[in-house]
Amino acid sequence: DAGVIQSPRHEVTEMGQEVTLRCKPISGHDYLFWYRQTMMRGLELLIYFNNNVPIDDSGMPEDRFSAKMPNASFSTLKIQPSEPRDSAVYFCASSFRGSDTEAFFGQGTRLTVV
Amino acid sequence: GENVEQHPSTLSVQEGDSAVIKCTYSDSASNYFPWYKQELGKRPQLIIDIRSNVGEKKDQRIAVTLNKTAKHFSLHITETQPEDSAVYFCAASISGGYQKVTFGTGTKLQVIP
Repeated sequence: DAGVIQSPRHEVTEMGQEVTLRCKPISGHDYLFWYRQTMMRGLELLIYFNNNVPIDDSGMPEDRFSAKMPNASFSTLKIQPSEPRDSAVYFCASSFRGSDTEAFFGQGTRLTVV
Repeated sequence: GENVEQHPSTLSVQEGDSAVIKCTYSDSASNYFPWYKQELGKRPQLIIDIRSNVGEKKDQRIAVTLNKTAKHFSLHITETQPEDSAVYFCAASISGGYQKVTFGTGTKLQVIP
């Protein structure tokens, strides 16, 4: 397995534009997590899914953020409209059975909003 | 909710010396404590984990200890090497119905050759 795959690796966009980040979890994993990493706030859990169903989205900062998981092999995190303070590295991670097992992280998407 | 505090935020050691990173957690129901290593520009990767039914776990040069009473756990790296330089994150979670993982703020470890 190639591991968790995220795209794009880097994204530069103008303020106000819509941004869509994509994630393909490891096949067979039933949990998917979206994290945001910044120098100021560290690694923050935004939302996680179990069997494609969103379980906890309390970490999503604002209504501008939304996430979907239409099937077991694909998830998106969308920011609309984007703002400069959204600039961060966004990680997707997946695990089998849940948070008491290893979470495998993707390479991350470095988002810069100018 | 769970709150995980991690100290120190930065740590410099001479090659060959030991490094210790400490974390505390707030929710006594937490029972799984992983440690992740993140090299510069790369993804976090699990290096060791411990469950609440044990007090210590070792894997070669790294070890983790857990004190459930005091609600703190620590990462110990012995005989440090330059390739140990990275950011280390502790985390806490509760297995079962509620699956959220809470990470500490990270410790940047620098091993000086």
